[in-house]
Amino acid sequence: AQKITQTQPGMFVQEKEAVTLDCTYDTSDPSYGLFWYKQPSSGEMIFLIYQGSYDQQNATEGRYSLNFQKARKSANLVISASQLGDSAMYFCAMREYLTGNQFYFGTGTSLTVIP
Amino acid sequence: DADVTQTPRNRITKTGKRIMLECSQTKGHDRMYWYRQDPGLGLRLIYYSFDVKDINKGEISDGYSVSRQAQAKFSLSLESAIPNQTALYFCATSWGGRATDTQYFGPGTRLTVL
Repeated sequence: AQKITQTQPGMFVQEKEAVTLDCTYDTSDPSYGLFWYKQPSSGEMIFLIYQGSYDQQNATEGRYSLNFQKARKSANLVISASQLGDSAMYFCAMREYLTGNQFYFGTGTSLTVIP
Repeated sequence: DADVTQTPRNRITKTGKRIMLECSQTKGHDRMYWYRQDPGLGLRLIYYSFDVKDINKGEISDGYSVSRQAQAKFSLSLESAIPNQTALYFCATSWGGRATDTQYFGPGTRLTVL
């Protein structure tokens, strides 16, 4: 089974609007972390935000927030007030504590911000 | 200066050639990783190392080997390159121990095997 599933290969959003990128995960480890990375067309991987499995509140970092629904095993990324520079690939990832701390990545969502 | 560096940034080579990709980090992290990225497949783990004496195969290690020369250096070798190893290769580092510690990536190496 896939550890991380991103079901949206491509998304479009109007500039200044909010957008939600979906991510579901699969683990039986009670201790894990969930991460989002941004990959612009230049290719580098940029860390955006993380959520720990024991965190009670949703993580936020500036215009990024992580909508963590533990029972549903989802960790959606919300980008508020989209900017043209947000156009990029976005990857969701998970790190499990018990399985040697490996990271598992989804296949990514391509976000295009329309002026 | 970047915390995680990769050399070379771009490489074109021919089938059958031996290639080494190098990664260095100044973050002091104990764990280092090599991934490859192919369109539509996300990142796939090739090898990872928890310290100099601890190296582990990842999901797609066939055709690759690695060397952890020091805590700060982790090299990936393609002993005999083949065209389907054409990809974007990333080195990454992290702390061990906590599931909430993120990975930090190098800028990537674009490898083309003709």
